[in-house]
Amino acid sequence: DAGVIQSPRHEVTEMGQEVTLRCKPISGHNSLFWYRQTMMRGLELLIYFNNNVPIDDSGMPEDRFSAKMPNASFSTLKIQPSEPRDSAVYFCASSFADPPQYFGPGTRLTVT
Amino acid sequence: RKEVEQDPGPFNVPEGATVAFNCTYSNSASQSFFWYRQDCRKEPKLLMSVYSSGNEDGRFTAQLNRASQYISLLIRDSKLSDSATYLCYSSYKLIFGSGTRLLVRP
Repeated sequence: DAGVIQSPRHEVTEMGQEVTLRCKPISGHNSLFWYRQTMMRGLELLIYFNNNVPIDDSGMPEDRFSAKMPNASFSTLKIQPSEPRDSAVYFCASSFADPPQYFGPGTRLTVT
Repeated sequence: RKEVEQDPGPFNVPEGATVAFNCTYSNSASQSFFWYRQDCRKEPKLLMSVYSSGNEDGRFTAQLNRASQYISLLIRDSKLSDSATYLCYSSYKLIFGSGTRLLVRP
């Protein structure tokens, strides 16, 4: 298996633009996590899906963020409109249950 | 107070040394804990589970102390390749500590 796949690996965008991050979990895993990491705040949970259903989205910062998991093999995290404070590394992780077992390589987002 | 707290370090130790990190948690409802390691500019990787009875995996030992509400990670015979940031994780609210940085020098 190729592991958890994330795209793009790097994204540079201007403030106000829409950003879409993508994640393909490991086949057969039924839990998917989106985390954000910054130097100041560390690793923060954004949202947790189980069997494609959002279970915990309490970490989603505000209405500008939305996440979907239309099927077991794909998830997206969308930011609209993006702001400089959204600059971070966004990780997707998958597993059979808690804890997140395998992380993807991350998407490094820079909003200017 | 943060839900899960770690000393950021860095812990700077010579090869072969034994080093231990702690991670304190504030909510007694927390049941399951894990340790991860994260290399610079890489993704976190699950290292091991933490049990009250202790969990040993080679040179690594993880322990949970419920009475004092902390977990620990002990690394024996440190290797250069152990240099990384070690993150504790609590299944209660699915949260990570901020990490402890370990530097193992020759």
